[in-house]
Amino acid sequence: AQSVTQLDSQVPVFEEAPVELRCNYSSSVSVYLFWYVQYPNQGLQLLLKYLSGSTLVKGINGFEAEFNKSQTSFHLRKPSVHISDTAEYFCAVMYNQGGKLIFGQGTELSVKP
Amino acid sequence: GAGVSQSPSNKVTEKGKDVELRCDPISGHTALYWYRQSLGQGLEFLIYFQGNSAPDKSGLPSDRFSAERTGGSVSTLTIQRTQQEDSAVYLCASSSDRGRPYGYTFGSGTRLTVV
Repeated sequence: AQSVTQLDSQVPVFEEAPVELRCNYSSSVSVYLFWYVQYPNQGLQLLLKYLSGSTLVKGINGFEAEFNKSQTSFHLRKPSVHISDTAEYFCAVMYNQGGKLIFGQGTELSVKP
Repeated sequence: GAGVSQSPSNKVTEKGKDVELRCDPISGHTALYWYRQSLGQGLEFLIYFQGNSAPDKSGLPSDRFSAERTGGSVSTLTIQRTQQEDSAVYLCASSSDRGRPYGYTFGSGTRLTVV
């Protein structure tokens, strides 16, 4: 079955520390991978996406993610977080071009001073 | 329009009543998606439209849920005989092109509370 697993439901971290939010998906021949962010009481905003090409993808707000086909992972990283990064982060996979996005359960990132 | 617009932003309804949720996608976007976000449940796919047809409605949880799209634009999600478990945020998203998966643009959602 097609599925996405975000391994951590909550990640507390101190300001200026590095962070990694983990995402694994069920294997497929080809996938398109996305990370979305949802700030409190707001809609979802696209952070970054992997469609093809370089496996290291850079997004907005200093985030980046690396596609690892052998590990079926797409972990999100930021070298130094800010208080304003506090939000819920969703990993999503599209298995067919133009098809539906399948979302993980979300990871709540809480950045503390 | 500039973004995906959903209305109402909040809806409180009594158990057993019918509700209609509206989504205005970005102009020219041919694909439209409905998702449900419940507390602690992540985002659950409901239905997908390409133009006015719905090639994938596999996520609709029961026959109380239906959706339509007219003119390749506005979509309405209808929930009949609402139940308390229908309480959630209903999100709509649109996408421009099946030829390349740029990802969706989401609306701010409709928060539905069934009392």
